[in-house]
Amino acid sequence: GNSVTQMEGPVTLSEEAFLTINCTYTATGYPSLFWYVQYPGEGLQLLLKATKADDKGSNKGFEATYRKETTSFHLEKGSVQVSDSAVYFCATGTASKLTFGTGTRLQVTL
Amino acid sequence: GAVVSQHPSRVICKSGTSVKIECRSLDFQATTMFWYRQFPKKSLMLMATSNEGSKATYEQGVEKDKFLINHASLTLSTLTVTSAHPEDSSFYICSASPFGARDLYEQYFGPGTRLTVT
Repeated sequence: GNSVTQMEGPVTLSEEAFLTINCTYTATGYPSLFWYVQYPGEGLQLLLKATKADDKGSNKGFEATYRKETTSFHLEKGSVQVSDSAVYFCATGTASKLTFGTGTRLQVTL
Repeated sequence: GAVVSQHPSRVICKSGTSVKIECRSLDFQATTMFWYRQFPKKSLMLMATSNEGSKATYEQGVEKDKFLINHASLTLSTLTVTSAHPEDSSFYICSASPFGARDLYEQYFGPGTRLTVT
């Protein structure tokens, strides 16, 4: 089955800093790739997705590019805000099933 | 829109008893609902997929007689942990895929239920 590896957190950044959260995956075939965000007390929300190689998903200033050659889908944001503090999950989708990473907690301070 | 609720948010039960967790799609109909389990510092693991009006499909290694899933309506699925034991203590999360979704990756997640078995 698929597996997803994310960098361990927590990641602590100052506001306006550049963010990278690494994600690599193993999968058979060509999975869809996703980033989810979970704010305190809430359910996971889809942040962005990419369905084929070299696709770039983007939303709310976050971006991630589907890199088939390196089996990666790293999440980036140029300037984080305190409101971005949350847990971020990378996931693959194959045969209508999602496989998640362990999540990376991001803490942004003033 | 697309809100999924779970009830209860936290539950403590004694070993040997059963506990039911509800998952509701509040503002949409969901033909398919999913149940996940999350251990501390681990990823969400898919337990089962349920379709309204039919039996759930369980993932390998998940005991269907222990984790009973009922998807009786287009807005409600329940997970019953039967004869719970301390090793069943975990965070249970449901998600729902709306009727008419382009694919089953379109899922809206509930906030989760923390189960503690003493």
